Amino acid sequence: NAGVMQNPRHLVRRRGQEARLRCSPMKGHSHVYWYRQLPEEGLKFMVYLQKENIIDESGMPKERFSAEFPKEGPSILRIQQVVRGDSAAYFCASSPSSSEAFFGQGTRLTVV
Amino acid sequence: QQPVQSPQAVILREGEDAVINCSSSKALYSVHWYRQKHGEAPVFLMILLKGGEQKGHEKISASFNEKKQQSSLYLTASQLSYSGTYFCGTESGSARQLTFGSGTQLTVLP
Repeated sequence: NAGVMQNPRHLVRRRGQEARLRCSPMKGHSHVYWYRQLPEEGLKFMVYLQKENIIDESGMPKERFSAEFPKEGPSILRIQQVVRGDSAAYFCASSPSSSEAFFGQGTRLTVV
Repeated sequence: QQPVQSPQAVILREGEDAVINCSSSKALYSVHWYRQKHGEAPVFLMILLKGGEQKGHEKISASFNEKKQQSSLYLTASQLSYSGTYFCGTESGSARQLTFGSGTQLTVLP
């Protein structure tokens, strides 16, 4: 049973470009969470999704950020018109229900 | 509001014990503990549900005091592999996402 898969592992974007981060949850997991981590800091909640539904997006910036978890395929975190401050590690976690969440290896986004 | 972890950092010698605390101002449904090594993903250690239970995982155990909205992680006879940053994540109310503390950096020296 493969773990939570995130890709790409590293992503470099120029200011103003778009970044797309993908997360395939563990088999049988229908809950997906996205977190952002700045260097030497904790994990900040961004959004919680179930299949085709956004359950809680209270941690998402109001502009430029969006997330989806379609019926088929991975969950996508999309950042439009990236700025230097978006540089961070973005972790996805999945869980089968309200139990332990398992994290992917993260995508490290660098905006140059 | 994120839970408060203490201490922020601790340095141990191999074989020594450590306690990491996590407290919240909110009524908690559960507390989750993770360990993260530098540049890696957080790894799940254990989950505690309200009810004051205590759990163990080899030489790492944890307790959850529901009245105080506080959890403690106990590391006994620490090993070099225990080094990393420990995060507690809390669930409260109807929210099912985890809110993480700022972490406790644990360093085990030989």
